[in-house]
Amino acid sequence: DSGVTQTPKHLITATGQRVTLRCSPRSGDLSVYWYQQSLDQGLQFLIHYYNGEERAKGNILERFSAQQFPDLHSELNLSSLELGDSALYFCASSAWTGAEGSPLHFGNGTRLTVT
Amino acid sequence: EDKVVQSPLSLVVHEGDTVTLNCSYEVTNFRSLLWYKQEKKAPTFLFMLTSSGIEKKSGRLSSILDKKELFSILNITATQTGDSAIYLCAVFSKNRPGTASKLTFGTGTRLQVTL
Repeated sequence: DSGVTQTPKHLITATGQRVTLRCSPRSGDLSVYWYQQSLDQGLQFLIHYYNGEERAKGNILERFSAQQFPDLHSELNLSSLELGDSALYFCASSAWTGAEGSPLHFGNGTRLTVT
Repeated sequence: EDKVVQSPLSLVVHEGDTVTLNCSYEVTNFRSLLWYKQEKKAPTFLFMLTSSGIEKKSGRLSSILDKKELFSILNITATQTGDSAIYLCAVFSKNRPGTASKLTFGTGTRLQVTL
């Protein structure tokens, strides 16, 4: 168990809808990362927050947004959902963002199915 | 754009065999290279490498980094069925001064160990 908690485990929704994925990082970790994993593209970096502030953005669509709250939990909001958004969404946390980086510890993911 | 390439894509071996997994990278401002093992859900951290030529070892797994040739290998000796998984290579890089490091993943090597 990595200590990173993601809810819900599974989500099935229709095209055009909006969903919120939630992540609680490991105790003491200030950094939260979101990744999307689909069969053909591997793990794609979406966004990174450190202590409530956005630090880096990857290939995150404008329909997607995220935030990290004062208690360090994070939410990823996906709106106007399309079939192609179906994927496994991972949250990961790390202790700090030193010069060399720190290992990320992943939650078990939220599997999103858009029908 | 940062790129991490793993080979082979897939590998089937017999229990007891030794395997070598490859990871090459092209990134801006390399910081470190990480290996992860992904079984059913969350990737789990194996190694973090920052210096060339220094082997990291954990039981039957070992890894080494070559920063001149921009690659790393992950060796697994005396493979067991429990080693069956997807092995992911990832690289921390820093695009611009003042920004956070970004972790870019390869698409992974799927290893199957048979009896």
